[in-house]
Amino acid sequence: QVQMVESGGGVVQPGRSLRLSCAASGFSFSSYGIYWVRQAPGKGLEWVAVISYDGSDKYYADSVKGRFTISRDNSKNTVDLQMNSLRAEDTAVYHCAKGYSYGEDWGQGTLVTVSS
Amino acid sequence: IVMTQSPATLSVSPGERATLSCRASQSVSSNLAWFQQKPGQAPRLLIYGASTRATGIPARFSGSGSGTEFTLTISSLQSEDFAVYYCQQYNIRPPYTFGQGTKLEFK
Repeated sequence: QVQMVESGGGVVQPGRSLRLSCAASGFSFSSYGIYWVRQAPGKGLEWVAVISYDGSDKYYADSVKGRFTISRDNSKNTVDLQMNSLRAEDTAVYHCAKGYSYGEDWGQGTLVTVSS
Repeated sequence: IVMTQSPATLSVSPGERATLSCRASQSVSSNLAWFQQKPGQAPRLLIYGASTRATGIPARFSGSGSGTEFTLTISSLQSEDFAVYYCQQYNIRPPYTFGQGTKLEFK
């Protein structure tokens, strides 16, 4: 069955960087786009970024554009989210999901806390 | 594109019908998905293409609408349906956006 597993979360100071990873299994990874969605504590879902099946197309929410970079390695079935210049408002659980337009299968998420 | 869901909270009794609304600030055609999220869990895809149920989703869940007005209907609420529901547009190209959610609670 499809599995999406996020890792790399933790506590980081404002202005620092963190790299999240999403490991996928159970499907033909190189045929699917992958997107990241985050959820601040007690809040709703916020779409963050997406990467196409071959990595040629990448898009970002305005709130993270210029600070976050999405990438993928189809040989390892992983998608990474490099997060730079982190702010307190980036504190959230970050989920990756299989799919380009909508998330068909989701991971449980990894918590990122930006705090001094 | 801004997605607005209403109501913010809906109180319904088991066995009753629930109707949740989602409005887009501009037309998204039928490029609309619905998700269910229970506390401490990842979101679960219910509906895509505005009206197509995802794999394994019970027939009591149905979606309708196009353009700017969408509806998720749960025909006869079961105890496991009490959760937060989100709509998400995926029109043409990213960035995509979610609505703020509707909490379906036990009356």
